[in-house]
Amino acid sequence: AQSVTQLDSQVPVFEEAPVELRCNYSSSVSVYLFWYVQYPNQGLQLLLKYLSGSTLVKGINGFEAEFNKSQTSFHLRKPSVHISDTAEYFCAAPRAGGTSYGKLTFGQGTILTVHP
Amino acid sequence: DAGVTQSPTHLIKTRGQQVTLRCSPKSGHDTVSWYQQALGQGPQFIFQYYEEEERQRGNFPDRFSGHQFPNYSSELNVNALLLGDSALYLCASSLNAGTAGELFFGEGSRLTVL
Repeated sequence: AQSVTQLDSQVPVFEEAPVELRCNYSSSVSVYLFWYVQYPNQGLQLLLKYLSGSTLVKGINGFEAEFNKSQTSFHLRKPSVHISDTAEYFCAAPRAGGTSYGKLTFGQGTILTVHP
Repeated sequence: DAGVTQSPTHLIKTRGQQVTLRCSPKSGHDTVSWYQQALGQGPQFIFQYYEEEERQRGNFPDRFSGHQFPNYSSELNVNALLLGDSALYLCASSLNAGTAGELFFGEGSRLTVL
């Protein structure tokens, strides 16, 4: 079973509308959670991270995510999207019990397409 | 401050050949991880290097090997290429003592095997 699950493979939305990209994690991963964004033909860029503390995490480009332990979720949200937010988004977590935290398990990705 | 740089950006090989991909980590980083991203998939962990040694390895065959140099740069080698090795290969660097799991990625090397 996958350790990090992104529930939507594609999310189309109109410009200036709100968006939520869903991510659930399993107990096989450490409860450090990340969202990365990948623009076409580019590498991955860190959007935001949850390590501990406040369950509402704010990231770059107006994105935020909420860690929900009871629902094992870490959904990504933005109140108003722009055309430039069109990209693929990955939820990720380090594998629990590893000797280093460099090994991330990624979800399958969600392609966000923002239409004018 | 240079980020993670990878070379080459694109390359085409035929089945059975060997390929070497290169990565220079972000300035100040000492740990390099390699990921394979097949089309339409999330990145899959190949292995990680720290202090010139392979520290962790994912579920990849021995055809995949690597090396880390004293300046922390790294190479990924793939022998006996298969069609299924076609993918974007991403290098990510981090600081061993740094924030857990926070990786900085390069733009990748896109390998096409014909």
